[in-house]
Amino acid sequence: AQKITQTQPGMFVQEKEAVTLDCTYDTSDPSYGLFWYKQPSSGEMIFLIYQGSYDQQNATEGRYSLNFQKARKSANLVISASQLGDSAMYFCAMREVNTGGFKTIFGAGTRLFVKA
Amino acid sequence: SQTIHQWPATLVQPVGSPLSLECTVEGTSNPNLYWYRQAAGRGLQLLFYSVGIGQISSEVPQNLSASRPQDRQFILSSKKLLLSDSGFYLCAWSQDRGYSPLHFGNGTRLTVT
Repeated sequence: AQKITQTQPGMFVQEKEAVTLDCTYDTSDPSYGLFWYKQPSSGEMIFLIYQGSYDQQNATEGRYSLNFQKARKSANLVISASQLGDSAMYFCAMREVNTGGFKTIFGAGTRLFVKA
Repeated sequence: SQTIHQWPATLVQPVGSPLSLECTVEGTSNPNLYWYRQAAGRGLQLLFYSVGIGQISSEVPQNLSASRPQDRQFILSSKKLLLSDSGFYLCAWSQDRGYSPLHFGNGTRLTVT
């Protein structure tokens, strides 16, 4: 069964520094997608970045990068040069292509606090 | 560009009353549609998803139901709300491809009193 684990309930980072949010996953499907979403206090879910299981390169989107270690089944989000506006909940998610149907499952989330 | 609309933004309902939350998507055809619920400070739980008109898959047995009367319309309903139905409800859509991300509406905060 597919599973996503985020072990950091809360993280603090100083403004302008980089921070890594951890995510591990479990799946028996060789084809899957990994996603990160940001949820500000207003509640909307914002898609940040995606990594496919067959992608050789780590995904990057602006200040966001995904550190994909397939053998360790980890997909950590790295935010460089943190900004105050990065304070939010961050969710790791996974979608199995073959066995999961159309379902995307989410981890419990990590709350990030950026300090000025 | 594609947009998703979800309403109402907030709702306070008494126990035993009915519920209807609506979600519509614009700018795409035949999207996959989803209803998620988020308890306070928690992750997202998938409630229902739909891959086409009239096709609904339920993930969690509960007091809720979903319907898709039109291609880009998804409705979450209940005949009688329970206190445990309180939460933040999010509608989302994705393209019909395995690696497509979800795109969410702004959510409905439901309080059952």
